[in-house]
Amino acid sequence: QQPVQSPQAVILREGEDAVINCSSSKALYSVHWYRQKHGEAPVFLMILLKGGEQKGHEKISASFNEKKQQSSLYLTASQLSYSGTYFCGTATNTGGFKTIFGAGTRLFVKA
Amino acid sequence: GAVVSQHPSRVICKSGTSVKIECRSLDFQATTMFWYRQFPKQSLMLMATSNEGSKATYEQGVEKDKFLINHASLTLSTLTVTSAHPEDSSFYICSARAGDSNQPQHFGDGTRLSIL
Repeated sequence: QQPVQSPQAVILREGEDAVINCSSSKALYSVHWYRQKHGEAPVFLMILLKGGEQKGHEKISASFNEKKQQSSLYLTASQLSYSGTYFCGTATNTGGFKTIFGAGTRLFVKA
Repeated sequence: GAVVSQHPSRVICKSGTSVKIECRSLDFQATTMFWYRQFPKQSLMLMATSNEGSKATYEQGVEKDKFLINHASLTLSTLTVTSAHPEDSSFYICSARAGDSNQPQHFGDGTRLSIL
């Protein structure tokens, strides 16, 4: 079952922060985050494996609340290069632990 | 970093033609490869999962006779769209993963298929 992402779209000015949320109705074993720019392939950002885990990648970090079956991606001091569509992918114990992607959150960063 | 090569990047062909798309992991062994279809401004829709040397597992609603998947080696998977029709026009993306679902998927650059 597809995870639910919110918001659907975000418009930011350079330097502003944003949070993208991802939630599932099923128990999660891992959460993946990817960014896709228009006309390009998705690029891997990070994977969170354990409940309570937090990870950081430059000014992009994420948390995983296993109990709430949720993950959040935090973008701080956004840069123009952060623009794109962010997808969360969730792995559950159904269907052989394949990763199912959410509908995506479109992020626009303006100068 | 892990590199996945997908080609061709773009195909334009007549209705009724069969089209083969290749997906190669260049610097790692991909135990599992995935094929996705993506419509404009929409998410990645998983079509099928393939493991080297075994039959692909197709998602519900995906016709296995229409979309033939072969995962002949740990570095190569192919998707053949048989007797393609205009409604098959789409962006097809493959990804490859080494290990289980706790490992990242690495995506190819995608193939834009246009059927006239």
